[in-house]
Amino acid sequence: AQSVAQPEDQVNVAEGNPLTVKCTYSVSGNPYLFWYVQYPNRGLQFLLKYITGDNLVKGSYGFEAEFNKSQTSFHLKKPSALVSDSALYFCAVRDGGFQKLVFGTGTRLLVSP
Amino acid sequence: DSGVTQTPKHLITATGQRVTLRCSPRSGDLSVYWYQQSLDQGLQFLIQYYNGEERAKGNILERFSAQQFPDLHSELNLSSLELGDSALYFCASSVPHRVEQFFGPGTRLTVL
Repeated sequence: AQSVAQPEDQVNVAEGNPLTVKCTYSVSGNPYLFWYVQYPNRGLQFLLKYITGDNLVKGSYGFEAEFNKSQTSFHLKKPSALVSDSALYFCAVRDGGFQKLVFGTGTRLLVSP
Repeated sequence: DSGVTQTPKHLITATGQRVTLRCSPRSGDLSVYWYQQSLDQGLQFLIQYYNGEERAKGNILERFSAQQFPDLHSELNLSSLELGDSALYFCASSVPHRVEQFFGPGTRLTVL
C-alpha cells in the first residue's frame, strides 16, 4: 500500500529564514505526490504536485518541493518564511490505480516574527 | 476559494441520530471524494464517486453511505451516530485528466 510519513509534528522557523517540511514516501511504481496546507477552520488548499519530470516542483505562495527518488523524499521548501505561512501542512500520495489520496499525519509550521 | 461547497458548516447532534452532509463539486468536475479528519485517525479517505457511480471505498463504516446525483452533487449519510464519529468531513472534487483534488471547507460534526 502507498504511504507517506511526516517525521516532524512541528517545525519552528523565524520569519525571513528558509523553511523545510519533510516528507518521505513508500510506493510501488512511480509516485504521484502532493502537498496541501490547512489553515485554522479552513479546508485543505492544494500547493503543488509531482508526477514526473523535474525534481524541483514549484507551487503556490512561493512554495516548492524537491523530489528525491534515491531518498524516497518529497520535502516542501520555501526560501523565506512569512508569519502567514503558519499552518498545518500535509503530504499525500495517490494510491496506485485508485485516485484516492493517502495523507501523512501533518506537520504544524510555526513562523515567528 | 476552491469552488467546492459543503453544507452545513457545523452540525451538532446526539448519539443514535442520522445526519446528511452535502457537497457540490467544482463546475466540470465529475469525481467527488469524501474524507474524514479526526484527531486520532488523521485524514482518511471514505469513498469516491465518479459521474454518479461508486468508484472506490476506503475506511467507511457500514453505518455511513453516500451517493452522487445526476447534477453531480453528493451527499454523505451518517446514521446511528456515535461519539467517535465527531470529526471534520471534507469533500473534494477533480476532473478525470488532472490528478490533484480540490477540497471544500468541510463540515464539522459534533456528536454529543
